[in-house]
Amino acid sequence: GAVVSQHPSWVICKSGTSVKIECRSLDFQATTMFWYRQFPKQSLMLMATSNEGSKATYEQGVEKDKFLINHASLTLSTLTVTSAHPEDSSFYICSANGGADTQYFGPGTRLTVL
Amino acid sequence: QKEVEQDPGPLSVPEGAIVSLNCTYSNSAFQYFMWYRQYSRKGPELLMYTYSSGNKEDGRFTAQVDKSSKYISLFIRDSQPSDSATYLCAMKATDSWGKFQFGAGTQVVVTP
Repeated sequence: GAVVSQHPSWVICKSGTSVKIECRSLDFQATTMFWYRQFPKQSLMLMATSNEGSKATYEQGVEKDKFLINHASLTLSTLTVTSAHPEDSSFYICSANGGADTQYFGPGTRLTVL
Repeated sequence: QKEVEQDPGPLSVPEGAIVSLNCTYSNSAFQYFMWYRQYSRKGPELLMYTYSSGNKEDGRFTAQVDKSSKYISLFIRDSQPSDSATYLCAMKATDSWGKFQFGAGTQVVVTP
């Protein structure tokens, strides 16, 4: 149980284009999902907290107009990187709140912007 | 000072040895403590979850929480090469709306 999927697992795009990443909780409902960014050999950096049916809460320094988050249902949250640039290349990971105050992570999406 | 401190390693141990990992923290409001394992280019996988103080054992893994010292540990017995990964500690306060504080992660290498 407690499986979180992400799609796509990797994506390469040209600079200036937008990329959408989906995060789904497959066997449980998640009122809260989180989006993280991870650089090589570094820990997770929380970007935003996504609550079903409401606006996401962004961490300080994260551009909400660049990283659009939509939590349309209890099993789906999406992150759209708008007008992507090479510096946005990173490993993006989502997680979903399970019961008992823990988080279950997706497998991550590797974004490369050329 | 970071709220959660974790030595990034790498920590190299021979197969069969005990791996000892730890994190220290400064926020006394933390009540939930987790250990995650992350393989390269994969998402973190929940290994152990502990609420408040005490010990918890699951197979070869033992998690300990000492709230008086603000110190948590993870022990891996009979380590295997497949245990080679980065181990992240995470913790959360009761009123933090699900937001976790993560350690930097310790890279563990188990050599055959």
